[in-house]
Amino acid sequence: AQSVTQPDIHITVSEGASLELRCNYSYGATPYLFWYVQSPGQGLQLLLKYFSGDTLVQGIKGFEAEFKRSQSSFNLRKPSVHWSDAAEYFCAVGDGANDYKLSFGAGTTVTVRA
Amino acid sequence: GAGVSQTPSNKVTEKGKYVELRCDPISGHTALYWYRQSLGQGPEFLIYFQGTGAADDSGLPNDRFFAVRPEGSVSTLKIQRTERGDSAVYLCASSLFPGQGSTDTQYFGPGTRLTVL
Repeated sequence: AQSVTQPDIHITVSEGASLELRCNYSYGATPYLFWYVQSPGQGLQLLLKYFSGDTLVQGIKGFEAEFKRSQSSFNLRKPSVHWSDAAEYFCAVGDGANDYKLSFGAGTTVTVRA
Repeated sequence: GAGVSQTPSNKVTEKGKYVELRCDPISGHTALYWYRQSLGQGPEFLIYFQGTGAADDSGLPNDRFFAVRPEGSVSTLKIQRTERGDSAVYLCASSLFPGQGSTDTQYFGPGTRLTVL
């Protein structure tokens, strides 16, 4: 079964600084990879997804992620963080046989300081 | 257009009681999913519907949990004899194409926070 690890529970970043959130997955074949963001009182919102092709994926809100098969990673990045990016971020993987069944990491909480 | 809606947003119940949680998917979405998110954790898959039928209920923790989707739209998650360990946020999601991988983005509702006292 696939699994996802998000090594950082909490990250604090200054507004305007760059952000990188780590995600490592465990899965035998090429995974389907997702990043979701969850703000208080809001549902999970999809930021971006990777299925195949270009390993650098662009998403909404200025986020991007890079799939690195050799490192089993799918790290999320943003060059310049805004205060509104404060939220919890979840990496998820879906396997090829049951791609509807997403496995989520435990999440990384991002705090943005002025 | 309207997103996935869930009612109630909060539910407080006593141990041993029965609860129903409702999910209204995005109109036209044939696939519907339930997840459970415990405090400090990511969502965990519970069940997946294709149309009216439960295509995969492997994530339901035990037989106290049951879900239905009688007309292929609204779904209800039912929990019998609730226990304190059932306290969590229950998330519903829907997608346009069931299990189609690359085209199957799941759109999540805001969740129902269940507290069992």
